[in-house]
Amino acid sequence: SAVISQKPSRDICQRGTSLTIQCQVDSQVTMMFWYRQQPGQSLTLIATANQGSEATYESGFVIDKFPISRPNLTFSTLTVSNMSPEDSSIYLCSVEALLGGNTDTQYFGPGTRLTVL
Amino acid sequence: QKEVEQDPGPLSVPEGAIVSLNCTYSNSAFQYFMWYRQYSRKGPELLMYTYSSGNKEDGRFTAQVDKSSKYISLFIRDSQPSDSATYLCAMSDGGATNKLIFGTGTLLAVQP
Repeated sequence: SAVISQKPSRDICQRGTSLTIQCQVDSQVTMMFWYRQQPGQSLTLIATANQGSEATYESGFVIDKFPISRPNLTFSTLTVSNMSPEDSSIYLCSVEALLGGNTDTQYFGPGTRLTVL
Repeated sequence: QKEVEQDPGPLSVPEGAIVSLNCTYSNSAFQYFMWYRQYSRKGPELLMYTYSSGNKEDGRFTAQVDKSSKYISLFIRDSQPSDSATYLCAMSDGGATNKLIFGTGTLLAVQP
C-alpha cells in the first residue's frame, strides 16, 4: 500500500485567514483526492486532482474557496481560503489504489485537523 | 435518502464477542465494496475490499455483499480491545471518476 503523509497534522487558525495543506505520497499516482470529514458525517469528497490538469470539484465546493495544486505525480496541496468556524474539520487526502487489477479503492493519509476560531 | 446508510452506533461489546456491522445502499450500480477502519485521530485504513456479491474472509474479518438486497456486512470474530475504532463502509460504481461513497461510520468499543 502507498505511504501518505500530510502537513500540518493539525492547526488552529483565525477567521479570515488561509491554510495550505500538503499531501505527499511515496509512489507515483495518477489520481489524488481531497476529502472533508466533519463530526458525525460521512467523508465528503471535495475534489479530484489529476496531475497536469485542473482539479474537478464536487457539488458544493468551489475553486475560489478550496484551490488545489498538483504539480507532479507524488504531491498535492489543498488551500482552505478565507476560513470561517464552519471550515473546522478534518481534511484528508487519498490516492487511488490498484487492487485485483482495479483502481476502485483508495488509501488515505493521516489527516489534518483544522480548528478555526 | 442518503446513497449509503450506516448505523452510527456506538456499539459496545465484550472482548471475544462476534461483531456485525452493516450498511445499506440505494444505488444498484455499485460494484466495489470496502470497509475502512479509523482509529481516533488517524486516517481511514483499508480493511476489506470486495467486488460484486459474495463473501471474503481475512483472518478474523469476513465481508459479505448481498447485491440483491443492497446490503453489506462486516463480521469480526473473537473481537479484541484493539478492534475499538470507527468502521466506515464505502462503495463505488467502478466509473472513470473512481469516486467512493461513504457511510457515516459505526463507532465500536470492545470492552476487556
